[in-house]
Amino acid sequence: DQQVKQNSPSLSVQEGRISILNCDYTNSMFDYFLWYKKYPAEGPTFLISISSIKDKNEDGRFTVFLNKSAKHLSLHIVPSQPGDSAVYFCAASAHGNKLVFGAGTILRVKS
Amino acid sequence: DVKVTQSSRYLVKRTGEKVFLECVQDMDHENMFWYRQDPGLGLRLIYFSYDVKMKEKGDIPEGYSVSREKKERFSLILESASTNQTSMYLCATQTGLYSNQPQHFGDGTRLSIL
Repeated sequence: DQQVKQNSPSLSVQEGRISILNCDYTNSMFDYFLWYKKYPAEGPTFLISISSIKDKNEDGRFTVFLNKSAKHLSLHIVPSQPGDSAVYFCAASAHGNKLVFGAGTILRVKS
Repeated sequence: DVKVTQSSRYLVKRTGEKVFLECVQDMDHENMFWYRQDPGLGLRLIYFSYDVKMKEKGDIPEGYSVSREKKERFSLILESASTNQTSMYLCATQTGLYSNQPQHFGDGTRLSIL
């Protein structure tokens, strides 16, 4: 039972344009959501998070949006850069418990 | 900066062998985790520990065990390695119990079981 789903295995975007990565979840108890970025041969690195009491959190070029009624969150990267090419994982937790990860989306930013 | 060090980047073992994967952190974090990453499946939690000598099963503990004798070190043990345990193994740490703090990952061990 996949509680966190990233339905797009890959996404290709032109440099300078917006990248939008999507994530859906099924567990209504999730109250904290994170995005991680992973380069090949490296561990995932934390990118940005959002609490369920908010609907938006912004950090530089990265913005995460949360739609609780739709159980959906998205990561926007503006403008996209070639160095953003990586695998992006969405993750969620309920009351500080263990993280549940999605399957990941491969982002390719073309220059 | 948090540093999470996994002892090997690449490891090749044979079926039936007992395999040890080591993870060491330098930030005095209470919580430590072992995941495996497989294509199309994301990261799946094998075991975690929130204190010395404490351990909890994750989502896929079968065929694995763990050891945490010191706060900074968390070991994953494959009791009798099998080919379906070929995977990327990732260790992570986190401060605080039940805290909404990000987990910090090591660079992973790519384990091949032949």
